[in-house]
Amino acid sequence: AQSVTQPDIHITVSEGASLELRCNYSYGATPYLFWYVQSPGQGLQLLLKYFSGDTLVQGIKGFEAEFKRSQSSFNLRKPSVHWSDAAEYFCAVGGGQAGTALIFGKGTTLSVSS
Amino acid sequence: DGGITQSPKYLFRKEGQNVTLSCEQNLNHDAMYWYRQDPGQGLRLIYYSQIVNDFQKGDIAEGYSVSREKKESFPLTVTSAQKNPTAFYLCATQLGVSTTNEKLFFGSGTQLSVL
Repeated sequence: AQSVTQPDIHITVSEGASLELRCNYSYGATPYLFWYVQSPGQGLQLLLKYFSGDTLVQGIKGFEAEFKRSQSSFNLRKPSVHWSDAAEYFCAVGGGQAGTALIFGKGTTLSVSS
Repeated sequence: DGGITQSPKYLFRKEGQNVTLSCEQNLNHDAMYWYRQDPGQGLRLIYYSQIVNDFQKGDIAEGYSVSREKKESFPLTVTSAQKNPTAFYLCATQLGVSTTNEKLFFGSGTQLSVL
């Protein structure tokens, strides 16, 4: 079955500390992977995506993610968290085939403490 | 995201009533999607449309209906058959079938509540 698992429902990080949000996927074909961020009461904004090539991808707002095929993971990282990064983060996977839609994880809520 | 307008921002439904959520886009994107978001549940796909006059059911289509008469518009009707409609509804667009799994653009959402 195709699925995305985000093991951490809620994470709290101190401002200035590093961040890693975990994402594991199950997909029968070559996966296309995404990370989105959502502020309360708003839509989702794309942070970064991986289709092929370099397994370390850079995104907006200083985020990066690493694709590890052997671990079926696509973890999101940021070296130094800012208070404005507090939001909900979603990992998503798709197959790059016509007529398919993205499958989203249940999300991880990030809180930033001062 | 700019270019996708969802209205209204907040909507209240009485028991037994059908309500329609609007989604309009000026991005000239072929594909449009409706997702439902419940706390702690992530996004679940309700319906999607790749071209005008065609649409497909997603994972939780029961109690919902859609139409795609124009490229710009993809309204979602929450019918009285949907017994638990309270949720945040998100509309999204995508450039086209040939670029499937390219970036999704999201509207700012509609919060539907039951009176």
